[in-house]
Amino acid sequence: SQQGEEDPQALSIQEGENATMNCSYKTSINNLQWYRQNSGRGLVHLILIRSNEREKHSGRLRVTLDTSKKSSSLLITASRAADTASYFCATEASGAQKLVFGQGTRLTINP
Amino acid sequence: ETGVTQSPTHLIKTRGQQVTLRCSSQSGHNTVSWYQQALGQGPQFIFQYYREEENGRGNFPPRFSGLQFPNYSSELNVNALELDDSALYLCASTPGHIYNEQFFGPGTRLTVL
Repeated sequence: SQQGEEDPQALSIQEGENATMNCSYKTSINNLQWYRQNSGRGLVHLILIRSNEREKHSGRLRVTLDTSKKSSSLLITASRAADTASYFCATEASGAQKLVFGQGTRLTINP
Repeated sequence: ETGVTQSPTHLIKTRGQQVTLRCSSQSGHNTVSWYQQALGQGPQFIFQYYREEENGRGNFPPRFSGLQFPNYSSELNVNALELDDSALYLCASTPGHIYNEQFFGPGTRLTVL
């Protein structure tokens, strides 16, 4: 079963706009990670945020984590056509050596 | 490029057959995890190996089994294939056994007819 839910399931925006994806989860976690997947291939790690962190930046990516609400968001600024992909959040619980993924958000950037 | 490779890229089998999928991790990564991703879904954890021993298992039946070798390679074996086993199988490696980003291979697309 999936741990989290991602919202929206699909998002289509114009190039240059910002894209925001949300993730909710159910249990206590040690960290939350975001991954990108192009066309059903392997996943690429984007960013990891630990449970004691509230915000993290990496290039055009900004991730927030609210452990009281069990939710996270991924913001991609100044989107590019190459950002078109599926984005997944994954949680890693304390004492569990596995990632639990959400169902993903399909992001389409229109030129 | 994550440095993790998988073979084969695609595979077609018939129901009831057995299959072996292979993964080669980055040098020094002594933890490997396997995931199953059905079409339109997120990956689901199958099991993890750390230093050649199983170190956690998801909700998959015993006909899903694995091996990890000292040379950072690993295998996923599935017996008595069922139609629902059709999926993308991903392996991922990490340098430790807790709380690190995972480096995913490109996956093996298995189709069961």
